[in-house]
Amino acid sequence: KNQVEQSPQSLIILEGKNCTLQCNYTVSPFSNLRWYKQDTGRGPVSLTIMTFSENTKSNGRYTATLDADTKQSSLHITASQLSDSASYICVVTSSGGSYIPTFGRGTSLIVHP
Amino acid sequence: DAGVIQSPRHEVTEMGQEVTLRCKPISGHDYLFWYRQTMMRGLELLIYFNNNVPIDDSGMPEDRFSAKMPNASFSTLKIQPSEPRDSAVYFCASRVSGTEQYFGPGTRLTVT
Repeated sequence: KNQVEQSPQSLIILEGKNCTLQCNYTVSPFSNLRWYKQDTGRGPVSLTIMTFSENTKSNGRYTATLDADTKQSSLHITASQLSDSASYICVVTSSGGSYIPTFGRGTSLIVHP
Repeated sequence: DAGVIQSPRHEVTEMGQEVTLRCKPISGHDYLFWYRQTMMRGLELLIYFNNNVPIDDSGMPEDRFSAKMPNASFSTLKIQPSEPRDSAVYFCASRVSGTEQYFGPGTRLTVT
């Protein structure tokens, strides 16, 4: 069964600090992995996407890494800002069949001033 | 483009009542997805359409749930009869084949 596990479940950091969120998956065959940011009361918005051959992708202060061998990904946030407070969801899509994504349950990040 | 539009944004109803959620996908997108999000289970795919045709409804929890897409610019998700455990945020998303999904703002459903 395809699964995506994220850790930690929640995280509180001070503004300006860095943090790293983790994602482990068992989705196979692998097509791509996305990180989404979901602000409270809104739908998820894509931050990065990586395919099998990519091991790092940046979007401003957000840097995602992918290790396809160990089936792990991380999202690193540099110099956090209050606006980074949100839920971060890891989504892995299989290339088998209909390209249906499997969602992690997300990491809730709170950035305090 | 206005993005994916969902209505209503909030719905409060009593157990046993029929609930209809609405979605207008982004123009030109040929895939439409319905998701449910709860604290316990996160985001769950309920059903998706390709070119207005339902492709996979294996995520629909039970016969009380039904979804239609009568044309390329409109879809509904209906729950009849509703139950308190249906309380969740329901998202609609759309995409063009091979690209990322764009999510709507969601409908927060509360069934009392």
